[in-house]
Amino acid sequence: GNSVTQMEGPVTLSEEAFLTINCTYTATGYPSLFWYVQYPGEGLQLLLKATKADDKGSNKGFEATYRKETTSFHLEKGSVQVSDSAVYFCALKVHSGGSNYKLTFGKGTLLTVNP
Amino acid sequence: KAGVTQTPRYLIKTRGQQVTLSCSPISGHRSVSWYQQTPGQGLQFLFEYFSETQRNKGNFPGRFSGRQFSNSRSEMNVSTLELGDSALYLCASSPGTGGLNTEAFFGQGTRLTVV
Repeated sequence: GNSVTQMEGPVTLSEEAFLTINCTYTATGYPSLFWYVQYPGEGLQLLLKATKADDKGSNKGFEATYRKETTSFHLEKGSVQVSDSAVYFCALKVHSGGSNYKLTFGKGTLLTVNP
Repeated sequence: KAGVTQTPRYLIKTRGQQVTLSCSPISGHRSVSWYQQTPGQGLQFLFEYFSETQRNKGNFPGRFSGRQFSNSRSEMNVSTLELGDSALYLCASSPGTGGLNTEAFFGQGTRLTVV
């Protein structure tokens, strides 16, 4: 089956620190990979995505590279800000037959950035 | 362009009661998916509707049901509520028939508390 494993949180960093949140996946076929972010009291927002091997998704200073050989899609940011405090979800999407596509999420990683 | 709207934002219900949650997708989006988010299980897929037809279903008991109307608005219903149904219920809409690269747009969710 399809599954996403991401590092357990919570992760606590000081402002301007380097961030890595690990994400690995298991999938049948060739998935697209996503990172979503959930700010307090909000729904999920797409942060970035990659649709094929070696693609790099980037947005707002965050980056993640689709690594097929290691089945990974780790999220990185060089210098975090207090406003980056949120829950981050890694997700994959696969074609499940016909016009059906299934989106599977990891359990989420809570990031807290202190000033 | 208005985002995905979920109503109500908060609900408190008693065990054994039933509840109906509503989701209005982004204008022009025909696919609506529902997720249950809990601290222990993370985001779990409930079902997806496209053009008034259920296209995908997750592993939830029959107490959880949904429907979609001709204007793409969707409702989900939970009957005979249990304490374990307390969760944030998220709705997501997508344009067209979906696809590996298609982004899901999430609402802010409905926080259901069962007492």
